Amino acid sequence: DTGVSQDPRHKITKRGQNVTFRCDPISEHNRLYWYRQTLGQGPEFLTYFQNEAQLEKSRLLSDRFSAERPKGSFSTLEIQRTEQGDSAMYLCASSLSGRGDTQYFGPGTRLTVL
Amino acid sequence: QKEVEQDPGPLSVPEGAIVSLNCTYSNSAFQYFMWYRQYSRKGPELLMYTYSSGNKEDGRFTAQVDKSSKYISLFIRDSQPSDSATYLCAMSGAGVNTGKLIFGQGTTLQVKP
Repeated sequence: DTGVSQDPRHKITKRGQNVTFRCDPISEHNRLYWYRQTLGQGPEFLTYFQNEAQLEKSRLLSDRFSAERPKGSFSTLEIQRTEQGDSAMYLCASSLSGRGDTQYFGPGTRLTVL
Repeated sequence: QKEVEQDPGPLSVPEGAIVSLNCTYSNSAFQYFMWYRQYSRKGPELLMYTYSSGNKEDGRFTAQVDKSSKYISLFIRDSQPSDSATYLCAMSGAGVNTGKLIFGQGTTLQVKP
């Protein structure tokens, strides 16, 4: 399977704990995006990388959130001191850079904060 | 006001019906328009991609973009129960980060056999 993969698929944690999610993009794609989706809403942009450079972060991405893409391949999204409001589906997408690049999404990581 | 508005539905139709899904938007700088299909608890799957105004057809699906009215549509012909899903419109091409997608809320579609 050469699609976007995410791990874990589900994560249940207690408030105040730290969690980390991983995204493996399609191998030849140099752009990687993170989005967050809550129930009944469309995905909202969080941040994106072109190769290893993080080029934009949304205001939704508070100081408790950090994302990395150290070698321009896989990416991690860490949430520190989780809050119940962080409960959501975290989606990763990848693309080849260019105007109007076509983004392909992974299956998502569903986070539940108790 | 959200940049992209989409009627959340739910929309229920009988099998074989023609379905029309719509989005309006406020940012005239959007240039790329997409429709994604999302099954429950899965990631979005790209269905249609259109640049600027015009129509695009792919099998039972037709996407229309009217930039002058800031309105996009997705038509599904001969709808099937397997088309039951949430349909998300998405747009990009505005601002410095031209790749960032702005999504509508999603319309939930149920096709009854």
